[in-house]
Amino acid sequence: QKEVEQDPGPLSVPEGAIVSLNCTYSNSAFQYFMWYRQYSRKGPELLMYTYSSGNKEDGRFTAQVDKSSKYISLFIRDSQPSDSATYLCASKGGNNRKLIWGLGTSLAVNP
Amino acid sequence: DVKVTQSSRYLVKRTGEKVFLECVQDMDHENMFWYRQDPGLGLRLIYFSYDVKMKEKGDIPEGYSVSREKKERFSLILESASTNQTSMYLCASGDTGLVYGYTFGSGTRLTVV
Repeated sequence: QKEVEQDPGPLSVPEGAIVSLNCTYSNSAFQYFMWYRQYSRKGPELLMYTYSSGNKEDGRFTAQVDKSSKYISLFIRDSQPSDSATYLCASKGGNNRKLIWGLGTSLAVNP
Repeated sequence: DVKVTQSSRYLVKRTGEKVFLECVQDMDHENMFWYRQDPGLGLRLIYFSYDVKMKEKGDIPEGYSVSREKKERFSLILESASTNQTSMYLCASGDTGLVYGYTFGSGTRLTVV
């Protein structure tokens, strides 16, 4: 079992839809949780990060961590075609130098 | 704007060639990483470095080596390129605690023929 599991999709939604992207993790020591967005033929870029449990909101994006169920979510409201990308979740423990990655979910937002 | 710069966006090399991929960061980060990314396999860590002249193997180090002579530069070396090393190579850097994760370069698409 991978330490971070993520359904690769692909996920296809109409413009304006609410998108829910999800990961699960198995390591109870994970404290930092991140979402990266990767456009085609580009490097990933940090979109959201959270520490421990709770929600964090930034514009149309909300990151949510539920440590009791080891569940990480990213919600995109009013999705736009420009949101079409691969979304990767990542986690790490407090003293770890490495991020542990999900496989990424491919999202297409159709006009 | 802070950056991680990879020297080439696209490379085509022949089987058996020695290949150098260069990465430079301007954020004074201690940690630097080399990944390869393949469809269906996600990001796989090749090597990482947490200090000058220090290196640690990642999950798939076979066929690769690295060099970090200066803090800002981390090089990936394919000693004898093979076709199964055709991939997207991504360099990343991060601060001491990696609290804010990594900053990635734009990637090098390497094709070995």
